[in-house]
Amino acid sequence: GESVGLHLPTLSVQEGDNSIINCAYSNSASDYFIWYKQESGKGPQFIIDIRSNMDKRQGQRVTVLLNKTVKHLSLQIAATQPGDSAVYFCAEKEYNQGGKLIFGQGTELSVKP
Amino acid sequence: DSGVTQTPKHLITATGQRVTLRCSPRSGDLSVYWYQQSLDQGLQFLIQYYNGEERAKGNILERFSAQQFPDLHSELNLSSLELGDSALYFCASSVRGPRTGELFFGEGSRLTVL
Repeated sequence: GESVGLHLPTLSVQEGDNSIINCAYSNSASDYFIWYKQESGKGPQFIIDIRSNMDKRQGQRVTVLLNKTVKHLSLQIAATQPGDSAVYFCAEKEYNQGGKLIFGQGTELSVKP
Repeated sequence: DSGVTQTPKHLITATGQRVTLRCSPRSGDLSVYWYQQSLDQGLQFLIQYYNGEERAKGNILERFSAQQFPDLHSELNLSSLELGDSALYFCASSVRGPRTGELFFGEGSRLTVL
């Protein structure tokens, strides 16, 4: 069946460094991918998304890379700040399957000052 | 603030009981999704409604049911509660219809079953 997984359950970085969070997916029919940030006690918040016809998309301090050949997704955060500390989830959506997102397990990012 | 409202924020109840969680989607959003997040777990998709009709079903137990009303708010009913049902339950809504991308999540309802 379809699944989305994360390579690293925890990631600790120094403030100011760049962070890279990785994600593997198995459903080749997925056409949309999204990263969410979840802070303690809050609901997931949108960070950035990418469609399957792209391989890179940039936002403010964040970049998402998509490699469909190896079914790999990554989130890069530049100049990581203490406020970036949270759990990050990748999710995928299969085309024409009603819009539901299938989430991975999550990676906890800890930023040391 | 995502614009999605969930009530109650916290709920403590006993095994065997029944609870109802409520969700108001963002204004204009027709799709509502319910997710369960247990300790150390990711977000597990339960069920989706679009404009009052069930659109997709995930790993939702038979003891759980949901519906979306004409005013587009949704309720998730959990019955014969077990200890393992303790979790955060999130509601999300999406713009226009089910083929769009981003889901907007509420703050969740934390259910504790004792």
